[in-house]
Amino acid sequence: KNEVEQSPQNLTAQEGEFITINCSYSVGISALHWLQQHPGGGIVSLFMLSSGKKKHGRLIATINIQEKHSSLHITASHPRDSAVYICAVEFGNQFYFGTGTSLTVIP
Amino acid sequence: EAEVAQSPRYKITEKSQAVAFWCDPISGHATLYWYRQILGQGPELLVQFQDESVVDDSQLPKDRFSAERLKGVDSTLKIQPAELGDSAMYLCASSSNLGTGELFFGEGSRLTVL
Repeated sequence: KNEVEQSPQNLTAQEGEFITINCSYSVGISALHWLQQHPGGGIVSLFMLSSGKKKHGRLIATINIQEKHSSLHITASHPRDSAVYICAVEFGNQFYFGTGTSLTVIP
Repeated sequence: EAEVAQSPRYKITEKSQAVAFWCDPISGHATLYWYRQILGQGPELLVQFQDESVVDDSQLPKDRFSAERLKGVDSTLKIQPAELGDSAMYLCASSSNLGTGELFFGEGSRLTVL
């Protein structure tokens, strides 16, 4: 089993701030996913990473395979970014999920 | 845009009653997952299908839960009898490949057992 830890658990930021959410895992993986979950439950896939860095709009995701660590960055945060961000790793043929980081961006 | 369909979105039932959830994955996706998510926690796998075959149901409480994907397309998750502790969000997800495939989630079915 792969242990997935996220930090921080909760995060409150002012609009415009740069935000970082961290994820670490215990065993080698085939890929890491960053997911976004809004109130009401629906989960949307933001990134799938196996190495390096990916960017989509104001979101940037990085992964360090050697250190078993990934970060999700949000630049120029906006209240609509308020959601739970979940890190999930693929190990074997299964996904293992972190408990999520609850982000609130205040106008 | 293709999406994973789930129903019902909300279900309120009394304990000891039977409950069923339905999921229709994205067309062509061979792998289908049912997850249970308790508030404040990450999703936990209940059952994973590859086409119509069960790949992993080790965490499925088989005394009361059952899942099927008879034709390898849509799937049903059943709980009978429901217990208070079953109150949670039930999420269905699908992926085109077994491993290294992007995961697509449905909106979820929120179950409340009274």
